[in-house]
Amino acid sequence: DSGVTQTPKHLITATGQRVTLRCSPRSGDLSVYWYQQSLDQGLQFLIQYYNGEERAKGNILERFSAQQFPDLHSELNLSSLELGDSALYFCASSTSSGGATGEQFFGPGTRLTVL
Amino acid sequence: SQQGEEDPQALSIQEGENATMNCSYKTSINNLQWYRQNSGRGLVHLILIRSNEREKHSGRLRVTLDTSKKSSSLLITASRAADTASYFCATGSGGSNYKLTFGKGTLLTVNP
Repeated sequence: DSGVTQTPKHLITATGQRVTLRCSPRSGDLSVYWYQQSLDQGLQFLIQYYNGEERAKGNILERFSAQQFPDLHSELNLSSLELGDSALYFCASSTSSGGATGEQFFGPGTRLTVL
Repeated sequence: SQQGEEDPQALSIQEGENATMNCSYKTSINNLQWYRQNSGRGLVHLILIRSNEREKHSGRLRVTLDTSKKSSSLLITASRAADTASYFCATGSGGSNYKLTFGKGTLLTVNP
């Protein structure tokens, strides 16, 4: 158990809908990262927050957005869902940010299925 | 785009044998990390090697890094059936915009 929790575990929804994925980092970790894992694209970095502020951005679509709250939990919002958004979404956390970042601790993931 | 590329894509060995996986990358890095993923589950950090290090050990794991060739290898010695998983290398690069970029992984199957 990494100490990172994600809810829900599974999510099934329809095209065009909007969903929110939630992540609670390990106690004391200030950085939260979101990743998308699919068979064709592999594991793709989406976005990072550090202590409430956006720190780094990867291949995140404009239909997706995220935020980190004062209690450090984070939410990833996916809107206007398409079939191709079906994937495993992972949250990870770490103690630091920037070039000093080392190990990231991954949550169990949310499996999103868009029908 | 993927920074790290693992090789081979799949590897099948017998219990007790050693498993070697390789990773190549394209740009300069701060560090390189190896992660393990059991089917459909979260990734677990195995080992981190910094750009100024050449070799690192952790239990049955040995990682090497050759920055001149932009490559790394992960050796698992005396493999066990429980080592069956996907193994990913991840390159860490950037300063304030630091990112971990994962390869597509090597699927290791250890047969009992």
